[in-house]
Amino acid sequence: DAGVTQSPTHLIKTRGQQVTLRCSPKSGHDTVSWYQQALGQGPQFIFQYYEEEERQRGNFPDRFSGHQFPNYSSELNVNALLLGDSALYLCASSPTGWTDTQYFGPGTRLTVL
Amino acid sequence: RKEVEQDPGPFNVPEGATVAFNCTYSNSASQSFFWYRQDCRKEPKLLMSVYSSGNEDGRFTAQLNRASQYISLLIRDSKLSDSATYLCVVNPAGNQFYFGTGTSLTVIP
Repeated sequence: DAGVTQSPTHLIKTRGQQVTLRCSPKSGHDTVSWYQQALGQGPQFIFQYYEEEERQRGNFPDRFSGHQFPNYSSELNVNALLLGDSALYLCASSPTGWTDTQYFGPGTRLTVL
Repeated sequence: RKEVEQDPGPFNVPEGATVAFNCTYSNSASQSFFWYRQDCRKEPKLLMSVYSSGNEDGRFTAQLNRASQYISLLIRDSKLSDSATYLCVVNPAGNQFYFGTGTSLTVIP
């Protein structure tokens, strides 16, 4: 049973560019949450997707957007990258009705130069 | 005020020692509480949920004090493999989880 997968594993971009990160949830999970983890900090909630809609959003600017596809996979898009966007981006999936149960993917490490 | 605050750490303890981590949360309506473990450059993994009555899983004991809005994790008989960062997580309601900054534990031979 494949767990949560994310791609790419590492990414280097320059300021002002745009980036798309991808996540495939664990089999049987339909809810996907995205987190940003800066060095030395805990993960910060960006947003959660369920039934292809953004269900809840954390304190992140509109430069951060997402999408969920019918197969429950998800994308995180970040526009107009800033140096401060450098972080580990984590995707977590949950089964229906069990949003307390989160399984994290290995993350995508984004470096903005 | 931050939603979740943890002991600053780091904690460096010898093998076999008992170590305790503390965490406070600001939202008194919080419903769910967890401890996650994160190894260096890896994803967080659920260590245990925290229930009102307190719960134990082998060498690990988690406790919740709603009146003081306080969560703790106790690790007994520390092993080298316990070295990691421990994250306190609170779900006030709905679907947003708040993570603490994490407490680093190093168990020394």
